Amino acid sequence: EPEVTQTPSHQVTQMGQEVILRCVPISNHLYFYWYRQILGQKVEFLVSFYNNEISEKSEIFDDQFSVERPDGSNFTLKIRSTKLEDSAMYFCASSAEDLYNEQFFGPGTRLTVL
Amino acid sequence: GNSVTQMEGPVTLSEEAFLTINCTYTATGYPSLFWYVQYPGEGLQLLLKATKADDKGSNKGFEATYRKETTSFHLEKGSVQVSDSAVYFCALSDRRNDMRFGAGTRLTVKP
Repeated sequence: EPEVTQTPSHQVTQMGQEVILRCVPISNHLYFYWYRQILGQKVEFLVSFYNNEISEKSEIFDDQFSVERPDGSNFTLKIRSTKLEDSAMYFCASSAEDLYNEQFFGPGTRLTVL
Repeated sequence: GNSVTQMEGPVTLSEEAFLTINCTYTATGYPSLFWYVQYPGEGLQLLLKATKADDKGSNKGFEATYRKETTSFHLEKGSVQVSDSAVYFCALSDRRNDMRFGAGTRLTVKP
C-alpha cells in the first residue's frame, strides 16, 4: 500500500540554524500539506500546496517558513532560523484530487531545537 | 472559520466498556469529517470518515455518524480493548483542503 514517508525521523538543531524537513508524498497525489504538533498539544495546520504554489497557510506559517517541491517527488519544509518554540513533531500529508479530501499522513519528523 | 471542539480527556475505561468521545464542529459549507488515531510514538492514522450528512463511518468496531442538525460526529465503540489505548482526533476538511483538528482525547483502557 502506498504511503507518505518523511526524513529524518528526528532532527536536533541549534537555535538560529536552518532546517529542512523532507517528505515524499504518495505518487499520484496532487495536494500536499504540513502540520505540526507541539508535544502534548493539538495538531495544527501550517500550509497546503497545490500546482506548485501555496494554496492556504495558517497564521503560524510566517516568513521563517517556506515550502518547496523541488523535483516532482519530494516536498520540503524549510525553517530559516529555528527558535526554541519550533520544537515539535512535523507531519507531512498528501491527498488526491477528489471531493472527499482524505489526507494520508506520514510518520512525522520530531524537531528538537536546543 | 472552521473549527472542531472535542471532548476533553483523558478518558480511562475498563476493558469491554462502552466508549463515546464527543466531537462538534463549526463550518461553512459541507465539510468531510474524520476521526484519526495516534498510537504512542506513532503518526496519525485515519480511523474512519464521513463525507455527507447522515453518513456513518465505521472501522475496527468504531462508529461515528455525521449529524448536520447537531453539527456533531461523536465516536463510539461498544467494547473497548487495551489495544485501543491511543489519542483520538476529530477533524474536518472542506474544499479549501486544509484539515482542522480537535485538541485530541487520550484514551487509556485498563485490563
